[in-house]
Amino acid sequence: EAGVAQSPRYKIIEKRQSVAFWCNPISGHATLYWYQQILGQGPKLLIQFQNNGVVDDSQLPKDRFSAERLKGVDSTLKIQPAKLEDSAVYLCASSSGSSSYNEQFFGPGTRLTVL
Amino acid sequence: GQQVMQIPQYQHVQEGEDFTTYCNSSTTLSNIQWYKQRPGGHPVFLIQLVKSGEVKKQKRLTFQFGEAKKNSSLHITATQTTDVGTYFCARGSGNTGKLIFGQGTTLQVKP
Repeated sequence: EAGVAQSPRYKIIEKRQSVAFWCNPISGHATLYWYQQILGQGPKLLIQFQNNGVVDDSQLPKDRFSAERLKGVDSTLKIQPAKLEDSAVYLCASSSGSSSYNEQFFGPGTRLTVL
Repeated sequence: GQQVMQIPQYQHVQEGEDFTTYCNSSTTLSNIQWYKQRPGGHPVFLIQLVKSGEVKKQKRLTFQFGEAKKNSSLHITATQTTDVGTYFCARGSGNTGKLIFGQGTTLQVKP
């Protein structure tokens, strides 16, 4: 079974530039999550999708971050414009159900460096 | 609030020694999940605890959920170099799939 795919794996941009990340979840997983993991910290949920609908985006900085999952499969996360403090690893995860009792499967992440 | 605190933040052990990390909450937990993240890797699910006082074992790893469901622990017996990484606990939050992760305990094992 293929795991969660993410691209790119690494990205370096200057502040105020835009960047987009892509995620393809495990086939059949209806729930998709985007996390931000700053060095030395645990992952922090940015947004949760159930199919193509948003379940929780309470911690998404909506003035600069946006995410979509138009067909209920792949998802993109965009940052525009980027700030220095956005330097982090962006992890995508998926699960078969929408409950916190479901195991989450993480992708390899995209390491973003903002200069 | 809904945060979970993990201690210690770092632990260095000699190979063969035991290791324990603790996860504490000020509020009752519905469930707790444990994940392991190898250096440069991504979190990988280890186990989930749901019942008060629950104890689960995976080879040299023992996971416990407190009787009051406010704390959990992960104990590794006779550590090996393959145990190196950061161990995170994560609590379920609300009726969604949201998990709130602790800050993790990073384990270093000297061969």
